[in-house]
Amino acid sequence: NAGVTQTPKFRILKIGQSMTLQCTQDMNHNYMYWYRQDPGMGLKLIYYSVGAGITDKGEVPNGYNVSRSTTEDFPLRLELAAPSQTSVYFCASSAYVSGAGEDTQYFGPGTRLTVL
Amino acid sequence: GESVGLHLPTLSVQEGDNSIINCAYSNSASDYFIWYKQESGKGPQFIIDIRSNMDKRQGQRVTVLLNKTVKHLSLQIAATQPGDSAVYFCADAHAGGTSYGKLTFGQGTILTVHP
Repeated sequence: NAGVTQTPKFRILKIGQSMTLQCTQDMNHNYMYWYRQDPGMGLKLIYYSVGAGITDKGEVPNGYNVSRSTTEDFPLRLELAAPSQTSVYFCASSAYVSGAGEDTQYFGPGTRLTVL
Repeated sequence: GESVGLHLPTLSVQEGDNSIINCAYSNSASDYFIWYKQESGKGPQFIIDIRSNMDKRQGQRVTVLLNKTVKHLSLQIAATQPGDSAVYFCADAHAGGTSYGKLTFGQGTILTVHP
């Protein structure tokens, strides 16, 4: 299994541009997540999805949108890029087994985004 | 808001020493705790987890201790190696229902292992 893959690895955007960060997992996990990590900080949850067609906001959702049309893919959309969105973005996935409690989140390698 | 935090932002040790990384949490409803290792330029990598009905769990060269009385979590790494150099994050979650999987991460501790 490739696990969680993210593209692109790096991107530079101008203020006001838009882009989509891609995330794919091949572990058949029903839960997927998007985090951002600012320099020297921990990860903050942007959006998450508990299954195809279901998404919900995390701690810092403003300026982002997501969709989940398939189990495997969970793209993150930036509509009007702002310098405050300069960060490293990580996608993660986990399984959910009813009654088993939490399951491990597996992270992708990240996308480093700079907005100038 | 409630959060997970770390006592020390940096830790330097000699190769072969044991390392202890500490974490304090404030959410008394948290019942699942995880330690992640993040190497430069990479995503967080799962190390070990512990549920609130346990106070100790051991893995390969790592031990996690949970003290619910004082809301404290620690990661012990035995015989630390240069390859252990990384940023270590603790995270917590309240398992179940709509809170499932919503991890709250601490700031991180930078572990540097000197040969």
